[in-house]
Amino acid sequence: GDSVTQMEGPVTLSEEAFLTINCTYTATGYPSLFWYVQYPGEGLQLLLKATKADDKGSNKGFEATYRKETTSFHLEKGSVQVSDSAVYFCALITGNQFYFGTGTSLTVIP
Amino acid sequence: DVKVTQSSRYLVKRTGEKVFLECVQDMDHENMFWYRQDPGLGLRLIYFSYDVKMKEKGDIPEGYSVSREKKERFSLILESASTNQTSMYLCATTRVEGYYEQYFGPGTRLTVT
Repeated sequence: GDSVTQMEGPVTLSEEAFLTINCTYTATGYPSLFWYVQYPGEGLQLLLKATKADDKGSNKGFEATYRKETTSFHLEKGSVQVSDSAVYFCALITGNQFYFGTGTSLTVIP
Repeated sequence: DVKVTQSSRYLVKRTGEKVFLECVQDMDHENMFWYRQDPGLGLRLIYFSYDVKMKEKGDIPEGYSVSREKKERFSLILESASTNQTSMYLCATTRVEGYYEQYFGPGTRLTVT
């Protein structure tokens, strides 16, 4: 069945470090792909999205490219800030079903 | 902006109590969802609804029921709360066309003692 696998956490980085959180997916159709972010004590918010192969989603310095050949949608940011500390979820929708990864906790220390 | 609100941010209930969690959205979205979120397990779908009075079971419906009497409101009911239902509960909505993205409420952290 369809699924999303994302990098296990937790991840701890120093401020201004480079971030990569890996996400791969399995889908029989043509999914749209998403990254959601959950700040402490809050619900999930959409961070970025890509709806077809080779699309790049970007927001707040984060970006991810929809790679059909490697079935991946890795999240990257060139220079993280303390305020980026949160849990990040990779997700896909195909047909009428949403699938979420298990989440990756990121802590950025000053 | 879509606004999705949940009736409580924190809730403490006793084992065996009947618990109601309510979700309200203001954007006329057709689809509404209830998830529970647990560490290491991510989000798991409990129930969803495509329209008023319609409901579909998700991956973990046991011990839960739902009600959707009005388009904007989707309630999750724990008929007899148990300690293994201690969790964060998240409501989400989407439009019908495109299933483009889900909008989430702030969550309700339920503790059953």
